[in-house]
Amino acid sequence: AQSVAQPEDQVNVAEGNPLTVKCTYSVSGNPYLFWYVQYPNRGLQFLLKYITGDNLVKGSYGFEAEFNKSQTSFHLKKPSALVSDSALYFCAVRPSGSARQLTFGSGTQLTVLP
Amino acid sequence: ETGVTQTPRHLVMGMTNKKSLKCEQHLGHNAMYWYKQSAKKPLELMFVYSLEERVENNSVPSRFSPECPNSSHLFLHLHTLQPEDSALYLCASSQETGNTYEQYFGPGTRLTVT
Repeated sequence: AQSVAQPEDQVNVAEGNPLTVKCTYSVSGNPYLFWYVQYPNRGLQFLLKYITGDNLVKGSYGFEAEFNKSQTSFHLKKPSALVSDSALYFCAVRPSGSARQLTFGSGTQLTVLP
Repeated sequence: ETGVTQTPRHLVMGMTNKKSLKCEQHLGHNAMYWYKQSAKKPLELMFVYSLEERVENNSVPSRFSPECPNSSHLFLHLHTLQPEDSALYLCASSQETGNTYEQYFGPGTRLTVT
């Protein structure tokens, strides 16, 4: 069975500083990895994904994530944080193949301080 | 978020009521999902429909009954719910062919059971 760990419930960063939200995973075979963001009283919004290819993937709103197979990690990063980036971030994984079930982490609340 | 719509956005119901949640996707996808999001818990996958057939049911109590009349619409029928069923119910859709796989979420229905 697959699993996702987001070790930090809360991440605080000053506006303009780089941010990192951590994610590690466990899955049989090759993983498909995703990051989603959720603003208050809204659904989850897709940010980026890793399926295959380049380990550094770029997504919406200047976010990027690096797939590290040896460390089974998929950390979300942004070079310069904005106050509007404050939200709840979810990492998710599914095994390659026909399985449809996405397994989500418990989420990390990002707060960007002005 | 206009790709997947959900109604109502808020619902308060008593334990003896019967109500339905509606989801509609305008993305031409062939798979739809119901998730439950409770405070401080990972998203819980409830049901998966692919090509209008239910393909996954993750041990959800029978007081939740899904219906998928066509590839664009998904319902969740509710009856004799319990207070612990109060949560945000999220609908999602995806295209299960090609190289996409990411799920797109609606804004959710905030359900309160009194």
